[in-house]
Amino acid sequence: GAVVSQHPSWVICKSGTSVKIECRSLDFQATTMFWYRQFPKQSLMLMATSNEGSKATYEQGVEKDKFLINHASLTLSTLTVTSAHPEDSSFYICSALTDLSYEQYFGPGTRLTVT
Amino acid sequence: DQQVKQNSPSLSVQEGRISILNCDYTNSMFDYFLWYKKYPAEGPTFLISISSIKDKNEDGRFTVFLNKSAKHLSLHIVPSQPGDSAVYFCAANTGTASKLTFGTGTRLQVTL
Repeated sequence: GAVVSQHPSWVICKSGTSVKIECRSLDFQATTMFWYRQFPKQSLMLMATSNEGSKATYEQGVEKDKFLINHASLTLSTLTVTSAHPEDSSFYICSALTDLSYEQYFGPGTRLTVT
Repeated sequence: DQQVKQNSPSLSVQEGRISILNCDYTNSMFDYFLWYKKYPAEGPTFLISISSIKDKNEDGRFTVFLNKSAKHLSLHIVPSQPGDSAVYFCAANTGTASKLTFGTGTRLQVTL
């Protein structure tokens, strides 16, 4: 149980375009989802906390107008990288929190490359 | 400000021996600690956790020790297996549903 999926697993886009990444909890309801990014050989940095039906809470330094997060249902959260630039190239990972335990379950990640 | 630190970026251990991965934290408000295993280009996989009210938690080959006074935790893997080779992250939070703060990771290589 507690499977989280992400789509797409990798995407290449041109500078200036927008990219949407989906995060789904497949066999449980997740009232809270988290979005992280990881640069090569670095730690996972939390970008924002997404709660179903309310606005996301962004970490300091994360531009909320650039990284749009929508958590419209208990099983789906989306991250849209708007007007992407090469420096946005990274590995984006979502996680979901179940109501039954304290553990976060992570998706497989999405590799974004902006050319 | 790195509140969770893993001072060893890499560790090499022979198969069958014990692997000990260490983690230090500075925020005394942390009350729940987790270890994750991560392969390249994949999301982290939960391994084991421990609440601050305990000093040890064991699950099969994995044991986590917590020393609150030293703000230190460690993950012991015994016996180590080649399939354990991955990057291990410790993480901490301050409540049941709060955000996780991750360490910088330790790359474990288990050799034959």
